[in-house]
Amino acid sequence: GAGVSQSPRYKVAKRGQDVALRCDPISGHVSLFWYQQALGQGPEFLTYFQNEAQLDKSGLPSDRFFAERPEGSVSTLKIQRTQQEDSAVYLCASSLDWGGGNEQFFGPGTRLTVL
Amino acid sequence: EDQVTQSPEALRLQEGESSSLNCSYTVSGLRGLFWYRQDPGKGPEFLFTLYSAGEEKEKERLKATLTKKESFLHITAPKPEDSATYLCAVQAGAGGYNKLIFGAGTRLAVHP
Repeated sequence: GAGVSQSPRYKVAKRGQDVALRCDPISGHVSLFWYQQALGQGPEFLTYFQNEAQLDKSGLPSDRFFAERPEGSVSTLKIQRTQQEDSAVYLCASSLDWGGGNEQFFGPGTRLTVL
Repeated sequence: EDQVTQSPEALRLQEGESSSLNCSYTVSGLRGLFWYRQDPGKGPEFLFTLYSAGEEKEKERLKATLTKKESFLHITAPKPEDSATYLCAVQAGAGGYNKLIFGAGTRLAVHP
């Protein structure tokens, strides 16, 4: 069975470039979360979607970060004018129920390196 | 402020040497406490959810317990394949949804 997939797995960007990270959640999952994981740290919440509605974006570090899920399935996290501090692993997770109260299934992550 | 602290940061065990990992938390209105396992280069893999103090869950060599202030992940007779980072997270959130707040993890290395 297909789990959560993310692409690309690795992305190297020059400072100032824009990047787009894709997440394909498990089919039928209502809730979708984005997390940022710095080296040696636990994941930190960025934003939450319930179907196509972005209900919480309080964790986005700056207005350079933007996420969307226009049809309630695939989601894209976009980072504009990347900075070195944006280097991290970006994880996507999906959950079957409304609110993500049950198990969240994580994708393998996209490792972003900003030079 | 909701917070999760895990200890120790790193743990080295010999194969068969049982031990426990600690997760202490402060959160207003715990909805659930999660344990995940994360291997290098991979996303976290779900292990357990605990909802109320006194609850226990087991899976193979792992057993998770919960009190009002902390959770323990007990590892009995570990094997080298149990080597990984173990993450603890609490469910918190207003508005009826449940983002996870993670600790920094415990890096476990089990040597033969």
